Amino acid sequence: AQSVTQPDIHITVSEGASLELRCNYSYGATPYLFWYVQSPGQGLQLLLKYFSGDTLVQGIKGFEAEFKRSQSSFNLRKPSVHWSDAAEYFCAVGRSGTYKYIFGTGTRLKVLA
Amino acid sequence: NAGVTQTPKFRVLKTGQSMTLLCAQDMNHEYMYWYRQDPGMGLRLIHYSVGEGTTAKGEVPDGYNVSRLKKQNFLLGLESAAPSQTSVYFCASRERLAGEGNTQYFGPGTRLTVL
Repeated sequence: AQSVTQPDIHITVSEGASLELRCNYSYGATPYLFWYVQSPGQGLQLLLKYFSGDTLVQGIKGFEAEFKRSQSSFNLRKPSVHWSDAAEYFCAVGRSGTYKYIFGTGTRLKVLA
Repeated sequence: NAGVTQTPKFRVLKTGQSMTLLCAQDMNHEYMYWYRQDPGMGLRLIHYSVGEGTTAKGEVPDGYNVSRLKKQNFLLGLESAAPSQTSVYFCASRERLAGEGNTQYFGPGTRLTVL
């Protein structure tokens, strides 16, 4: 069955520390992978996406993610977290030729001053 | 461009009442989606549409109906609201083309409470 797993429900980091949010997927074909961020009371904003090519993808707000096919992972990273990064982060997967996407359950990030 | 807009932003209903949520997009996208978001469950697809006049069921369609009479609008209806439908509802749209067009764009959400 197709699925997306975000194993960390909550993560707390100090401002200035590095961040890694995990995402694992189970998807038969080559996936399209996405990370979205949702601030409280807001909609989802696309951070970055992977379709093909370079497996290290750069996104907005200083985020990057690396697609590792052998590990079925697409982890999101940021070298130095800012207080404004506190939000909920969603990983999603889709593929060419389909209309649907599967979303993970989200990771809520708290940033300590 | 306004992108994807949703009305209303908030609504409180009593059990058994009906209502319609409106989603509008000005990007000329072919595909449109309705999701619901519940704590700890991520986003779940209710219904989607691959073009004007066509709709299809998603993961959790029961209790909802949709219509896509115009390309830019996608309506989500609750005929007889139940407390289990208390949720935040998001609309999204995307282009038909594969590749870069595979990206979904989301509206700001509608927070619905059913008492």
